[in-house]
Amino acid sequence: EAGVAQSPRYKIIEKRQSVAFWCNPISGHATLYWYQQILGQGPKLLIQFQNNGVVDDSQLPKDRFSAERLKGVDSTLKIQPAKLEDSAVYLCASSLDRWGLRGTGQETQYFGPGTRLLVL
Amino acid sequence: GIQVEQSPPDLILQEGANSTLRCNFSDSVNNLQWFHQNPWGQLINLFYIPSGTKQNGRLSATTVATERYSLLYISSSQTTDSGVYFCAGGSLDSNYQLIWGAGTKLIIKP
Repeated sequence: EAGVAQSPRYKIIEKRQSVAFWCNPISGHATLYWYQQILGQGPKLLIQFQNNGVVDDSQLPKDRFSAERLKGVDSTLKIQPAKLEDSAVYLCASSLDRWGLRGTGQETQYFGPGTRLLVL
Repeated sequence: GIQVEQSPPDLILQEGANSTLRCNFSDSVNNLQWFHQNPWGQLINLFYIPSGTKQNGRLSATTVATERYSLLYISSSQTTDSGVYFCAGGSLDSNYQLIWGAGTKLIIKP
């Protein structure tokens, strides 16, 4: 079974430029997550999709970040314009479903390799 | 909101040693997961363990939901076990969003 795919793996841009990241989740997984991880910290959820609908985007800086999952499969996260503080690793994860009864495990999250973004 | 505390923050061990990592939650969670982030940044799911005990090879985990803590045991450590171990949990109060601890950085010396 193929894992979560992400591209690009690395990106260097100047501040105020735009950048886009792509994620393809594990086949059949309904829930897709985008996280931001700053060096030395745990991941921070940016946005969560259930199929092609947004479930939670409360921590997404909507003035500059946007994300879509149009056909309920792959997803794109965009930053426009980028700031220096956006330098981080952007992680995509997927799970079979959003949540379920205790112990079913369908909300187990599987991560892609991440995209390392450096904003200069 | 839910607070997650992991201990110890750092751990340095010789190859072959055993270790116990702890995760405390300020509130009840029913979606608790343990992850290993290797030195190259890849996050691997180790356990989904909202309660009870699970084992996978040299790793095992126990969650005592009533006391709001979880333990990860690593036996006979290998250098490939190095990295950062995260626990994360969620509940209806967090809209089932996983709240992550700061991690335990483990270094296994050969």
